[in-house]
Amino acid sequence: GENVEQHPSTLSVQEGDSAVIKCTYSDSASNYFPWYKQELGKRPQLIIDIRSNVGEKKDQRIAVTLNKTAKHFSLHITETQPEDSAVYFCAVSDSWGKLQFGAGTQVVVTP
Amino acid sequence: DGGITQSPKYLFRKEGQNVTLSCEQNLNHDAMYWYRQDPGQGLRLIYYSQIVNDFQKGDIAEGYSVSREKKESFPLTVTSAQKNPTAFYLCASSQPHSATNEKLFFGSGTQLSVL
Repeated sequence: GENVEQHPSTLSVQEGDSAVIKCTYSDSASNYFPWYKQELGKRPQLIIDIRSNVGEKKDQRIAVTLNKTAKHFSLHITETQPEDSAVYFCAVSDSWGKLQFGAGTQVVVTP
Repeated sequence: DGGITQSPKYLFRKEGQNVTLSCEQNLNHDAMYWYRQDPGQGLRLIYYSQIVNDFQKGDIAEGYSVSREKKESFPLTVTSAQKNPTAFYLCASSQPHSATNEKLFFGSGTQLSVL
């Protein structure tokens, strides 16, 4: 089955700096790669996603890049703000379309 | 919080007891899922259902059971066979073969603890 690895597990950044989280996957047939943000005690919320026919997608301060050859994709958050503090999960769709999740990255933005 | 509703928000289980977590959605989605979340381990799939009256085991189905008698409901029972049930349980739904396809819509979760 699909194996998704996410790094780092924790990330502390100064407000205004950039944050980058990377995920690798094993199944070359995977074609959908979403990122979810989960605040403490809340439900995960989809923040951005990308399909395999696209190399990069941007939405305001958030961007995702995909390297299908190397089987990795990354989340980039620029100009970080305190409200960006949360746990971020990457996910990869398997052959049926079910999502396999990474272990998560705890992002802490310090003033 | 419309869309997908989980209840209760907190649940306590005694030794040897079965407990049932409720999940209801009004999104008219065909597919529903149950995930277990433990600190530092991400979300692990317990069971999923693609259509009414049908469901499949996920990665960690042992000690759990589900039913899908109605499209909008997908309850999860944590049985006494599940020896380490303390976790945050998330229900989700999606509509395959649509504009939203694999996108998951999550409920607000149930925190289950053992007394």
